[in-house]
Amino acid sequence: DAMVIQNPRYQVTQFGKPVTLSCSQTLNHNVMYWYQQKSSQAPKLLFHYYDKDFNNEADTPDNFQSRRPNTSFCFLDIRSPGLGDAAMYLCATSRVTGNNSPLHFGNGTRLTVT
Amino acid sequence: GQQLNQSPQSMFIQEGEDVSMNCTSSSIFNTWLWYKQDPGEGPVLLIALYKAGELTSNGRLTAQFGITRKDSFLNISASIPSDVGIYFCAGDLLNFGNEKLTFGTGTRLTIIP
Repeated sequence: DAMVIQNPRYQVTQFGKPVTLSCSQTLNHNVMYWYQQKSSQAPKLLFHYYDKDFNNEADTPDNFQSRRPNTSFCFLDIRSPGLGDAAMYLCATSRVTGNNSPLHFGNGTRLTVT
Repeated sequence: GQQLNQSPQSMFIQEGEDVSMNCTSSSIFNTWLWYKQDPGEGPVLLIALYKAGELTSNGRLTAQFGITRKDSFLNISASIPSDVGIYFCAGDLLNFGNEKLTFGTGTRLTIIP
């Protein structure tokens, strides 16, 4: 039973054409994260929401935005995708941000930019 | 940012062999987590470690949180074909939570038929 669900699994977009990736969770976790993972690399945190509080990583480009309309859903918006934005995008959740609350990942959305 | 040195980068083993991989850091970590990622899938949590010296098993997997809080190892006994994948260690620094989770560079495990 999938608990962190990402749609779509594969997304193709054109250079410069806005794209939105979605994530939903059935865990009722407070925190939702978006990671970018390029081939053969470790996941890189883009930002996270603790409830409605948005926390951006310092090196996340402005091209990346996020929305969390409610506890269950979180969206990643890429305003003007470039070829370098092609990657696997992973959503994750955790109950809280502290100890004893490991991340649970979705299966990711693989983004291709043509 | 903080670095987690994970080794080896890749392993080629035969089915039935035992596997050992580790992560080290120059910084002290609160938590060590081990994830496995299959191709085209998200990472799946294998073992979570919360106390220095803690040794935890999950089936054929065993992981330990180093006494110095700067390292962790993962062992897999009697490997089987479904163990193939990339294994990531991850940790959060002392006094920070998951928002500062640092990932290792991964160990790619391949089983030779």
